[in-house]
Amino acid sequence: DAMVIQNPRYQVTQFGKPVTLSCSQTLNHNVMYWYQQKSSQAPKLLFHYYDKDFNNEADTPDNFQSRRPNTSLCFLDIRSPGLGDAAMYLCATSRDPSGGTDTQYFGPGTRLTVL
Amino acid sequence: AQSVSQHNHHVILSEAASLELGCNYSYGGTVNLFWYVQYPGQHLQLLLKYFSGDPLVKGIKGFEAEFIKSKFSFNLRKPSVQWSDTAEYFCAVNKGSFKTIFGAGTRLFVKA
Repeated sequence: DAMVIQNPRYQVTQFGKPVTLSCSQTLNHNVMYWYQQKSSQAPKLLFHYYDKDFNNEADTPDNFQSRRPNTSLCFLDIRSPGLGDAAMYLCATSRDPSGGTDTQYFGPGTRLTVL
Repeated sequence: AQSVSQHNHHVILSEAASLELGCNYSYGGTVNLFWYVQYPGQHLQLLLKYFSGDPLVKGIKGFEAEFIKSKFSFNLRKPSVQWSDTAEYFCAVNKGSFKTIFGAGTRLFVKA
């Protein structure tokens, strides 16, 4: 089945120690998104890639970066995790959301714990 | 600030009860509206969406939602819930861009 895969499912890191989360997709979708979801809160968009074009949300901290080496793979890098970065990180894809009607396909998420 | 509000954070129902989950948004103009569902241990997936046409939208598993433009609402309904509907439900709004704004979610627990 075509799908969105996130690795690892659980990640524990130390305060200030860089961490990388990965997302891969077999849907061949043009767009890949990263969301941060804290407990009992709405998923919050951090950034997205449309093909190789990176689009950062204005309120995404500089501590968060992303890479998309190819169509099917995307990384979220947290350069110096703080306690406030502990959250579920969701990856999603869509084919072409330029009209805003496209369905997003989500991965299972990576739960990040910062010690 | 523009937002998506889901009125109930937790809902508990018995099987066969009717369900209505509220969703209001604060964006003017044309909007595209979604309900996503996350079953226990699974990923978020689309339940239904509305972007034009009949404001009463039918989705999977017997769910429907009604877009009422004058009330800025997109409430989710199901006439008779089942134990398997236990999940977290997210309302979401898109104004025709790459950015979709999600509500904080409503956790539904259906007692068998």
